[in-house]
Amino acid sequence: DGGITQSPKYLFRKEGQNVTLSCEQNLNHDAMYWYRQDPGQGLRLIYYSQIVNDFQKGDIAEGYSVSREKKESFPLTVTSAQKNPTAFYLCASSIQGQGQETQYFGPGTRLLVL
Amino acid sequence: AQSVTQLGSHVSVSEGALVLLRCNYSSSVPPYLFWYVQYPNQGLQLLLKYTSAATLVKGINGFEAEFKKSETSFHLTKPSAHMSDAAEYFCAVSEKQAGTALIFGKGTTLSVSS
Repeated sequence: DGGITQSPKYLFRKEGQNVTLSCEQNLNHDAMYWYRQDPGQGLRLIYYSQIVNDFQKGDIAEGYSVSREKKESFPLTVTSAQKNPTAFYLCASSIQGQGQETQYFGPGTRLLVL
Repeated sequence: AQSVTQLGSHVSVSEGALVLLRCNYSSSVPPYLFWYVQYPNQGLQLLLKYTSAATLVKGINGFEAEFKKSETSFHLTKPSAHMSDAAEYFCAVSEKQAGTALIFGKGTTLSVSS
């Protein structure tokens, strides 16, 4: 079955620690996205990538980093610079087009701070 | 910049009643518009989208939405609510250009009582 997988489902971060969230897709999509979801805030864009080895900052990129070395993979690192990382993180992918493309979402990773 | 406003963070209906979830966008040029649904601790699933083909859009699970340019609205409706419709619903907008990510509203939680 084609789809998007995210791991782990739950992730715990200690003070000053960097953690990496995994996102893999087998839909052959060129574009991939990372969103952060907080209660009552909707989804906010962290980073997105239209092609391999290229990515752009979204609205709340500070304290996060990404890489896009393979078409299928778009990992997100939450660095120690992100002072309020507790949230639900959603990865999505889509084909490239003119804005009308459906974004397909993974099941999410919930990040909690110890 | 584009923005999306969802009126009412929480809507409660009885089973069998009409569901109406409101969404207004800000743009002088009609964008692409989407409605997504999210069940607890899961990713988002597309319900329907408007891409200029028809102003009344039918989606999955009996939902539909009507694009009204004069009102800059894209409200979501369902004639008869079912208990399984209880979830969080997000309206999103995308500009008509390549490489744009979605801009989401803050979401509306739908509760359905028997």
